[in-house]
Amino acid sequence: QVQLVQSEAEVKKPGASVKVSCKGSENTFSGYYMHWVRQAPGQGLEYMGWIYPDSGGTKYVQKFQGRVTVTRDTSITTVYMELSSLRSDDTALYYCVREGKIGLAYWGAFDIWGQGTMVTVSS
Amino acid sequence: QSALTQPPSVSGSLGQSVTISCTGTSSDVGYHNRASWYQQPPGTAPKLMIYEVRNRPSGVPDRFSGSQSGNTASLTISGLQAEDEADYYCSSFTTTGLYVFGTGTKVTVL
Repeated sequence: QVQLVQSEAEVKKPGASVKVSCKGSENTFSGYYMHWVRQAPGQGLEYMGWIYPDSGGTKYVQKFQGRVTVTRDTSITTVYMELSSLRSDDTALYYCVREGKIGLAYWGAFDIWGQGTMVTVSS
Repeated sequence: QSALTQPPSVSGSLGQSVTISCTGTSSDVGYHNRASWYQQPPGTAPKLMIYEVRNRPSGVPDRFSGSQSGNTASLTISGLQAEDEADYYCSSFTTTGLYVFGTGTKVTVL
C-alpha cells in the first residue's frame, strides 16, 4: 500500500525557515506529480504548488513565489518543501499529496495524502 | 487565484440526499473537467471521493456522485449516513497549471 510519511512537527520563530520532508515507499514518485497543501487551524485547504520528481520541475502559487522551494531526492524517494521568512499566519498543517493517474492519464486530483506536518510560528 | 465558492454548511436527515455546490470560473471549474471532491472528518487528512467531475476511486460508495454544469460542480450524497458527517472540499485544475480549493462545506447529519 502506497504511503507518504512526513517529518515531525516544527516550532519556528518569525523570520526563520522550515523544511518539511515527505518520504514515499518504493516507486511512489516515479511518473507522478507531487503537491503541497496546507491547512491553518480551523481553516480550509490552501494549495501551494507541485514538483515532478522525475525531472525536478516545479510550479508554485504566486502567493508563495520567492518564499517556497520544493525539491526532491530521487535516490531516497523523498520530496521536501522549504518555506522561508516565516510569519505567524504560516502556522498550519502542511500536507504532501500525490496526484492520481492511470497510465499516462492524470486525474487532476489527489489520491494519496501524507499524515501532515504541523508547523507553528511563534515568538 | 480565488478560492472556489461553497456553501458553509448543509444538513440532512439519515437516508436523505444532500447536494453541495462549488462555483468557480471558466479559468478553473469550467476548464478541462478536472473538478474533484474531498471528505475530511475532524482530525484526519482529506480523502479523495470524486475526480474528473464524476469518477469515484476504488472503495468510495456509489452514494457519492458528482456532476457539473458550466462553472459549477456539485457533489451529491444519497442515502445520508452518520459517517458522512464531515467537511467537504472541492478542487479544480486551473489555466495557470496549478490547483485551487473550495472554501469548504460542513455536512451535518440530523
